[in-house]
Amino acid sequence: QQQVKQSPQSLIVQKGGISIINCAYENTAFDYFPWYQQFPGKGPALLIAIRPDVSEKKEGRFTISFNKSAKQFSLHIMDSQPGDSATYFCAASSGANNLFFGTGTRLTVIP
Amino acid sequence: NAGVMQNPRHLVRRRGQEARLRCSPMKGHSHVYWYRQLPEEGLKFMVYLQKENIIDESGMPKERFSAEFPKEGPSILRIQQVVRGDSAAYFCASSPRDRDYTGELFFGEGSRLTVL
Repeated sequence: QQQVKQSPQSLIVQKGGISIINCAYENTAFDYFPWYQQFPGKGPALLIAIRPDVSEKKEGRFTISFNKSAKQFSLHIMDSQPGDSATYFCAASSGANNLFFGTGTRLTVIP
Repeated sequence: NAGVMQNPRHLVRRRGQEARLRCSPMKGHSHVYWYRQLPEEGLKFMVYLQKENIIDESGMPKERFSAEFPKEGPSILRIQQVVRGDSAAYFCASSPRDRDYTGELFFGEGSRLTVL
């Protein structure tokens, strides 16, 4: 049973464009929603995270939008760059419990 | 401050052999998590350990898999009698789980197991 559903599976964006990745969850106890970035052959690394008391969080070119009523959250990458090409995972957890990850989105930014 | 260290980075085993994967958490971290990543799939939680305790092993297969995190030394994920379906990347993560805990898990670079 997939606790966090992520789409699309893959995404191709032109340099300078906006990349959008979506995630949905069912467990209303989740209270921490991070996005991880993974380059080939490397481990995932935290990119940005949000808690449900805010609807949006922005760090540089990366923005999380959070819709608590719809139980959805998304990652927006503005002015996408070839160096952003990686696999992105959304995740969710509640309290002191474990992170549940989405299935990942492979982003390719074309120069 | 060294990150999460995993070894070996690559391991090849024949069916029926044992695989042992090791993970040293970041300095100051006392909580370790193991995740498995299959090609084209996400990270699947396996087990969460604190020093000398298994906190949550709900993601561990019931047979052939075991994990420990002793008082001294690294955490070990052990797979007995490996089968081809065990071929995957196994990631270890750590966290402080105290007042410094933000929710972030710090991942190692993974151990890639290939079963022939």
